[in-house]
Amino acid sequence: GDSVTQTEGQVALSEEDFLTIHCNYSASGYPALFWYVQYPGEGPQFLFRASRDKEKGSSRGFEATYDKGTTSFHLRKASVQESDSAVYYCALGDRCGSSGNKLIFGIGTLLSVKP
Amino acid sequence: ETAVFQTPNYHVTQVGNEVSFNCKQTLGHDTMYWYKQDSKKLLKIMFSYNNKQLIVNETVPRRFSPQSSDKAHLNLRIKSVEPEDSAVYLCASSPDWGGLQDTQYFGPGTRLLVL
Repeated sequence: GDSVTQTEGQVALSEEDFLTIHCNYSASGYPALFWYVQYPGEGPQFLFRASRDKEKGSSRGFEATYDKGTTSFHLRKASVQESDSAVYYCALGDRCGSSGNKLIFGIGTLLSVKP
Repeated sequence: ETAVFQTPNYHVTQVGNEVSFNCKQTLGHDTMYWYKQDSKKLLKIMFSYNNKQLIVNETVPRRFSPQSSDKAHLNLRIKSVEPEDSAVYLCASSPDWGGLQDTQYFGPGTRLLVL
């Protein structure tokens, strides 16, 4: 079945560091790709999505580009802040039954940013 | 305020008891979902539902069942809880049924602890 792989379980950075969280997917079709962020005690929040090859999604300084060739959707931010500390999930939109849809999530990456 | 609301925030119960969690969305969406987030923060779909169709993830035990009174509400009932049901249960909604690009919006979750 379809799947999402996030290679980093935890990332520790200092403020103003550059962030990369790697996300690769495996899908038989042409899925939509998402990034969600989850703060402690809250549900996942939609960050952004992309649905076509070479499309870039972005929000709050974070960005990722859909790359069908390398089946990737890596999350990047040029300069992280302490307030970015959270768990980040890569997800793909997949068929669920005859017409519904579901999100398949990666394992999540815990980002810790020191001041 | 438009959002996804869940009650209770936290529930502690004994093995074998029945529990029920509530979810309401005021986003005007047609489709709702339940996800389970385990202790390792892994997120997995349990149910997808709109007024036309219920899709059940095949790995969900039969003691779990969704209950809906209208398209704004989707509750989750667990008939006889077991220790492995301890987790955070997240409700989500999306505008459409079948759109792979649809963004899902999550509630804050209900944390269940089974003693």
